[in-house]
Amino acid sequence: GQNIDQPTEMTATEGAIVQINCTYQTSGFNGLFWYQQHAGEAPTFLSYNVLDGLEEKGRFSSFLSRSKGYSYLLLKELQMKDSASYLCASMDSNYQLIWGAGTKLIIKP
Amino acid sequence: NAGVTQTPKFRVLKTGQSMTLLCAQDMNHEYMYWYRQDPGMGLRLIHYSVGEGTTAKGEVPDGYNVSRLKKQNFLLGLESAAPSQTSVYFCASRSGGDAGELFFGEGSRLTVL
Repeated sequence: GQNIDQPTEMTATEGAIVQINCTYQTSGFNGLFWYQQHAGEAPTFLSYNVLDGLEEKGRFSSFLSRSKGYSYLLLKELQMKDSASYLCASMDSNYQLIWGAGTKLIIKP
Repeated sequence: NAGVTQTPKFRVLKTGQSMTLLCAQDMNHEYMYWYRQDPGMGLRLIHYSVGEGTTAKGEVPDGYNVSRLKKQNFLLGLESAAPSQTSVYFCASRSGGDAGELFFGEGSRLTVL
């Protein structure tokens, strides 16, 4: 079957670094997406990886290992506004997204 | 730049009532999707469309119907609402072809009593 696993909740301190892991198992693979979702709002796109390696975009970076079915989202210099849920999604062979349940990130001062 | 717009934003229904959620996008996207989001679960695909006049079932289609008569609009209908359909509904769109990011509407919070 198709499955996406990510931690339910994480806590980190303002100014620190946090890594949110995601493992996926899908029928075929056409890339791994990360979305940010603030409470009561719509998900917004953060990153897309289709090749192995690290993609850096400002304070956020995303890593992919296709052989391991593994990705992580790295957030640096955490700010209070980074408190949100982070959704991992794998795109299968039919270009459909399979979504994880999301990781709620709590930032403490 | 409106992007993806959903109406209504909030609705309370009684069991057995019907309603339609409207999604409109102004980005000329081919693909459109309806998801529901429930606590502790990932976004689940209800129905989707890969172009005007086409629709297909997703992961949880039962109890819902959709139509895509115009490219920019994707309607989600509940013929006889049930409490299990209490959820937040998101519409999303993307350009066709290969992988591309999804653009989401703001969501519609539906409560069925």
